[in-house]
Amino acid sequence: QKEVEQNSGPLSVPEGAIASLNCTYSDRGSQSFFWYRQYSGKSPELIMFIYSNGDKEDGRFTAQLNKASQYVSLLIRDSQPSDSATYLCAVSEGGSTLGRLYFGRGTQLTVWP
Amino acid sequence: DAGVIQSPRHEVTEMGQEVTLRCKPISGHNSLFWYRQTMMRGLELLIYFNNNVPIDDSGMPEDRFSAKMPNASFSTLKIQPSEPRDSAVYFCASSLAGDSSYEQYFGPGTRLTVT
Repeated sequence: QKEVEQNSGPLSVPEGAIASLNCTYSDRGSQSFFWYRQYSGKSPELIMFIYSNGDKEDGRFTAQLNKASQYVSLLIRDSQPSDSATYLCAVSEGGSTLGRLYFGRGTQLTVWP
Repeated sequence: DAGVIQSPRHEVTEMGQEVTLRCKPISGHNSLFWYRQTMMRGLELLIYFNNNVPIDDSGMPEDRFSAKMPNASFSTLKIQPSEPRDSAVYFCASSLAGDSSYEQYFGPGTRLTVT
């Protein structure tokens, strides 16, 4: 079974702070990495993906990938109360082109005003 | 595009009844995934299809669960007979597999309650 581990949280940060979400994975063959945001009662929504080692920035969001350490993270700068949600890390199945993803259990983030 | 479409959005049924959940993937996508989400177990992959062919159904809990994909634009997940422990939110997701991206897009889900 391929594992994806996330810090379970909950994580609570004040408005304007940086929220840091972490994820480790077991499948060394994984090539694609995703962050989904899920609001309570809603479906997971893709917010970031990263394929190469290093950082990828999109607005207030930065994804970081270190394949050697099998580690991927998501930084949310200038956190807003609207960022309060559960964040799911997902990792592609190594050696496959069929699109299966392995999901972590998620980290619940609360941003308080 | 309308995104992934699921129906019904809510289903309440009595134990022992048959339940059928439906999904229409994003047009042009070739992989389709059925997930179940509960507080206890998180997001679990039940089964997935590629080009309408079931690839891995090892996540299907037991023989009461079955899934079909008769064509590229429609899939069903059936539970017969349903039990209270099947109560969960069931998501369908689709992706365009085969390129290097594999982003999955989720439907709104079906909230199933079995009494």
